[in-house]
Amino acid sequence: DTAVSQTPKYLVTQMGNDKSIKCEQNLGHDTMYWYKQDSKKFLKIMFSYNNKELIINETVPNRFSPKSPDKAHLNLHINSLELGDSAVYFCASSIQGGGQPQHFGDGTRLSIL
Amino acid sequence: AQSVTQLGSHVSVSEGALVLLRCNYSSSVPPYLFWYVQYPNQGLQLLLKYTSAATLVKGINGFEAEFKKSETSFHLTKPSAHMSDAAEYFCAARGSVGALTFGSGTRLQVQP
Repeated sequence: DTAVSQTPKYLVTQMGNDKSIKCEQNLGHDTMYWYKQDSKKFLKIMFSYNNKELIINETVPNRFSPKSPDKAHLNLHINSLELGDSAVYFCASSIQGGGQPQHFGDGTRLSIL
Repeated sequence: AQSVTQLGSHVSVSEGALVLLRCNYSSSVPPYLFWYVQYPNQGLQLLLKYTSAATLVKGINGFEAEFKKSETSFHLTKPSAHMSDAAEYFCAARGSVGALTFGSGTRLQVQP
């Protein structure tokens, strides 16, 4: 069984479009995250939700809007896509607190034409 | 702010040789530290974690890491490299609200 699953795996779209990425975890975790990995492989936190409440909101353009309908799901909607949004987006989940490790999905590779 | 530095963006070893990937952290409090591995077109897989229980941490696939507070280091080692170890390795520190701060990654190449 897949622990953290993201859809779609690949997303190719035109500049200016709006797109969504979905994430689901079946680990019973209470905290979920979105990370962005750029072309140089650098990983940076974007958002984090704990029990459906936003707890981390890094300096991200407001074209990016996360939504957590329940503890097991965290979606990412992106409006007016730009060339610089091309990256791999990773969803992760964990139990909040202490040294609990985060479990990652396989990523969504977003390519803007 | 917390930061993680990985020295060496590329490391190449021969099959059977020692693997040493370096990681230094900056933190005003004892951190929670992690090593993750990323194979091509895949997500990040946890190798091991340090949570202050023991300074020498053993992980999966024969990897281990030693936490040295005096050196603010958490280097990853494996006694004998295997071809299947070729991947990107990330050191990360957990912040106060749970997000991970990652190092820039080290690509490990294993030569036959």
